[in-house]
Amino acid sequence: NAGVTQTPKFQVLKTGQSMTLQCAQDMNHEYMSWYRQDPGMGLRLIHYSVGAGITDQGEVPNGYNVSRSTTEDFPLRLLSAAPSQTSVYFCASRTVSGSPLHFGNGTRLTVT
Amino acid sequence: QQQVKQSPQSLIVQKGGIPIINCAYENTAFDYFPWYQQFPGKGPALLIAIRPDVSEKKEGRFTISFNKSAKQFSLHIMDSQPGDSATYFCAARDGGGSTLGRLYFGRGTQLTVWP
Repeated sequence: NAGVTQTPKFQVLKTGQSMTLQCAQDMNHEYMSWYRQDPGMGLRLIHYSVGAGITDQGEVPNGYNVSRSTTEDFPLRLLSAAPSQTSVYFCASRTVSGSPLHFGNGTRLTVT
Repeated sequence: QQQVKQSPQSLIVQKGGIPIINCAYENTAFDYFPWYQQFPGKGPALLIAIRPDVSEKKEGRFTISFNKSAKQFSLHIMDSQPGDSATYFCAARDGGGSTLGRLYFGRGTQLTVWP
């Protein structure tokens, strides 16, 4: 049972480049979400989804795009990377009935 | 505007000590209060959680104390061990009666337990 799998683990981008952070879960969870973690800031919700075809914004959605075409996958797209998006990104999933949130091991992104 | 305020930012204790991490909130719609533990290079993992109709919950060496009137809750780690060294996050769910409610996290406490 792999749980929540994030790829890549590390990524360096130049300002203006685009990329997609991948997230996959094998627990049949309806709810999936993306958080960013910055020193001293805790975890802040970027976007979330309660099922295929349904997405919504979190606290800090600007500069990020998501889509949910399958239950298993929830990619996060950076359309034009900025240094302010340097962070550690975590994908998390759970059932919609309120089971605990399961986190992946994160993607460390640096934008120069 | 920070929904959940966590303190202290860092904490150092000797092995066997009882570190206490405190969190406070204002939103009375919060209906679920989990604590997460995070080790370096890993994602956070649920440690223990409490609902506001209970004043205390204990799981092993970890205890949550909850004060609904003061809108505060805290994590106590009994007989702390070097393996407890990690970052701890409190969180609160804005449920409004729904399990789809958004989870708000505190800023984290970095705990170091010296042997």
